Amino acid sequence: SQQGEEDPQALSIQEGENATMNCSYKTSINNLQWYRQNSGRGLVHLILIRSNEREKHSGRLRVTLDTSKKSSSLLITASRAADTASYFCATDKTDSWGKLQFGAGTQVVVTP
Amino acid sequence: SQTIHQWPATLVQPVGSPLSLECTVEGTSNPNLYWYRQAAGRGLQLLFYSVGIGQISSEVPQNLSASRPQDRQFILSSKKLLLSDSGFYLCAWSFGGSYNEEFFGPGTRLTVL
Repeated sequence: SQQGEEDPQALSIQEGENATMNCSYKTSINNLQWYRQNSGRGLVHLILIRSNEREKHSGRLRVTLDTSKKSSSLLITASRAADTASYFCATDKTDSWGKLQFGAGTQVVVTP
Repeated sequence: SQTIHQWPATLVQPVGSPLSLECTVEGTSNPNLYWYRQAAGRGLQLLFYSVGIGQISSEVPQNLSASRPQDRQFILSSKKLLLSDSGFYLCAWSFGGSYNEEFFGPGTRLTVL
């Protein structure tokens, strides 16, 4: 089974709105990362949050991590049409050195 | 700066034919290298990873193999392709260790007919 599970599977919003997606995982982690993938392209790293961090910001992105609940959220504020993509969380498990496990992703569509 | 190259971009192969996908990284030394497969609308499945020349770890039993003949070259191969090998193959690299992001290539879309 997958370590990271994103929720929702798909999200459709209008430009200017905020988009929130969640990721749950099962085992202890060193860090959790979020990636973005445009259709038919490779993944691009967005943000990394370590297990001892609770919140991190990067531009219009805000990531939270709750290790007690084994969950993370990615918030994209003031979304733009160019934010349309699939977003994946990936966990670096403590017993799995240097290897990431990816969830199935959240497909986000931002309409003008 | 570092760059990762992956080719070909698309490939259509008949069942039973061989496969060779190549990935090269520039601008860094001794990277960790990874091969992933992504089924349509799904997440990534780690196939192989390598921490050095000739060091390959396989994550799932399958019809594929990987090799690392040079420090920054990672090759995914098959002797005989199956229909189930179709998918989007992604190569990635990282600086190694934990707390490191992975950098992905553009991917190869493989269709086995």
